[in-house]
Amino acid sequence: EPEVTQTPSHQVTQMGQEVILRCVPISNHLYFYWYRQILGQKVEFLVSFYNNEISEKSEIFDDQFSVERPDGSNFTLKIRSTKLEDSAMYFCASRSNSGNTIYFGEGSWLTVV
Amino acid sequence: AQSVSQHNHHVILSEAASLELGCNYSYGGTVNLFWYVQYPGQHLQLLLKYFSGDPLVKGIKGFEAEFIKSKFSFNLRKPSVQWSDTAEYFCAAGTGNAGNMLTFGGGTRLMVKP
Repeated sequence: EPEVTQTPSHQVTQMGQEVILRCVPISNHLYFYWYRQILGQKVEFLVSFYNNEISEKSEIFDDQFSVERPDGSNFTLKIRSTKLEDSAMYFCASRSNSGNTIYFGEGSWLTVV
Repeated sequence: AQSVSQHNHHVILSEAASLELGCNYSYGGTVNLFWYVQYPGQHLQLLLKYFSGDPLVKGIKGFEAEFIKSKFSFNLRKPSVQWSDTAEYFCAAGTGNAGNMLTFGGGTRLMVKP
């Protein structure tokens, strides 16, 4: 079964540093998403991306966050200046144009110290 | 704003016991409903989904869920659980464009004792 893959699986970074989380969505999918889950809390929607632009974003997705599809396969989430409260598991997900099921990656654990 | 609540945070069952996990959502418009499962160390996997039609939906691994519009509920059931069902279960409601901005419940950790 095709999978969404994410790298790194775990990253530790110092407060104020920039972080880029990478995702390779399923190859024929056109809708891409980032979600996050702070330890002990709910999985929260961050942003959806379609046709090379953001289609929806939540209040969490402020100016320190950005997404990009730099080439035909990768989908990245950048956090410009990390804060302690950005520590969370970040999930990438994708969906095909015709289907309605969202497929999730295994997540990237970000720890900000 | 939409919200999803799961009433049981932790459930412990013995093998062969029946399972029902509660899920209620709050949203006035058309909503798509999902149950995802996360096995230890793995990614979120779709168990089943409801978009329209028959309110009783069957998913993988013997799970089913019933959409009751009047109760705003989408409870997950399995008649006989196995040790391998030990996992965390998330209910989610999809809204927004194409119904895929998911709002998740807090999750229910299920432990099945062998």
